[in-house]
This record gives sequence, structure tokens and C-alpha cells, in this order.
Amino acid sequence: GAGVSQSPSNKVTEKGKDVELRCDPISGHTALYWYRQSLGQGLEFLIYFQGNSAPDKSGLPSDRFSAERTGGSVSTLTIQRTQQEDSAVYLCASSLSLANEKLFFGSGTQLSVL
Amino acid sequence: KNQVEQSPQSLIILEGKNCTLQCNYTVSPFSNLRWYKQDTGRGPVSLTIMTFSENTKSNGRYTATLDADTKQSSLHITASQLSDSASYICVVRPNSGAGSYQLTFGKGTKLSVIP
Repeated sequence: GAGVSQSPSNKVTEKGKDVELRCDPISGHTALYWYRQSLGQGLEFLIYFQGNSAPDKSGLPSDRFSAERTGGSVSTLTIQRTQQEDSAVYLCASSLSLANEKLFFGSGTQLSVL
Repeated sequence: KNQVEQSPQSLIILEGKNCTLQCNYTVSPFSNLRWYKQDTGRGPVSLTIMTFSENTKSNGRYTATLDADTKQSSLHITASQLSDSASYICVVRPNSGAGSYQLTFGKGTKLSVIP
């Protein structure tokens, strides 16, 4: 596609429910990143995928968070048993490769946990 | 710990005026520094990139400077327009090596340009 696409744009859920966030990167981009942006905070790295290599999950805040990337393209970020502190904007970005780290971001998913 | 500090936290200027945003970092060694613009409800968009050997880089009305000795960068916006209202984020990439894709983001400066 022309840009990074994320869905849904907004998600309101109840505490304890699971949510799935989707990211469709730019075609041909081998690297894909998930970040979390909380109000007044800098972007927080969550997870990184590069081609067929094992993802770097070092930024995931707890085992309630997981992500996968199928076929080297679309990625889903899953948050299980959501907590109120999970409320944030979840941004996905892609880049041509690790060497070229100019990131192209999606518009994000605003997650609100009530 | 790698850090990127930006100032001011927020800024209000009149349309047509100039402004300068500051970024101090502790990332060392570092590979490059980018300034991103993030409009409300959108993802960040890259404005400029500077390597450690570059002192200045322009992109239209945006001019970034870098002093690698003092680990400071600035973003100067000339003749501001209403559409410049956004958050400006300074992002530093560590030197190549394991984990070099793990960028350090500043918290951003929220710029409001008013008529």
C-alpha cells in the first residue's frame, strides 16, 4: 500500500478483555516495529521484526503482550487481560531494512481500557 | 542509560514568526539523529536526518543543526505557518551493532502556531 495502515484507529475495551491490533506495513519493507506512546511520554519500543529472523521482544512490558508477523507482511499485536495502564496509542512503523532505519509510521491505534 | 531531552515542552508562537526547538542527548556512540513531525492523531513523519559529521541540514523552512561535541541538536522553523502546529520529536540511533535499531525518542515539543 501507499503507507502503513493500522486498524482499528480507536479501540475501547473493558479491563480484563483481550485486544488485537493490526498493522499492514509498506509493501517491500522488511523491518516492522511496534511502539507505545503514552500521554506526555516518548515512544516506547515494544517489538521488532526483521525479515524471517526471530523478533526482538525485549521491549514487551509483560507476558500479556505478544505479537506476530505472518508471511513477512501483516503484523498483529495482542494484549491479553488488558489493564487500565495499557491505555495508550500503539504505533506501528516499517522501514526498508535494518540498515535503513527511516521509519514510516501508521496513524496508530488509540486504546482505551475502562 | 541513553536519554534524549527536549525543550521546551510546549511553545506557542504567532504565525510568521521563527522558533527554535532544542534536543540534548546522551546516546554514545551515536549513528544519527532525526527530527520527526507528528500531527495530532497521526504517526510521526521524518523531517531531517543528520550523522555525527554533519553540522546543519535543511528541509524547506526547517533547518536542523547538530553539535556532536556538546551532544545538542536544534530544529529551527522559519516563517511559521498554521500547519506547523504539531509535536516535534528528536530521535537518536546508537552506533551500528546489536540493538542499534532500538532508537531513543525524546518526549517531543508541542508547537502551536496561532494566527
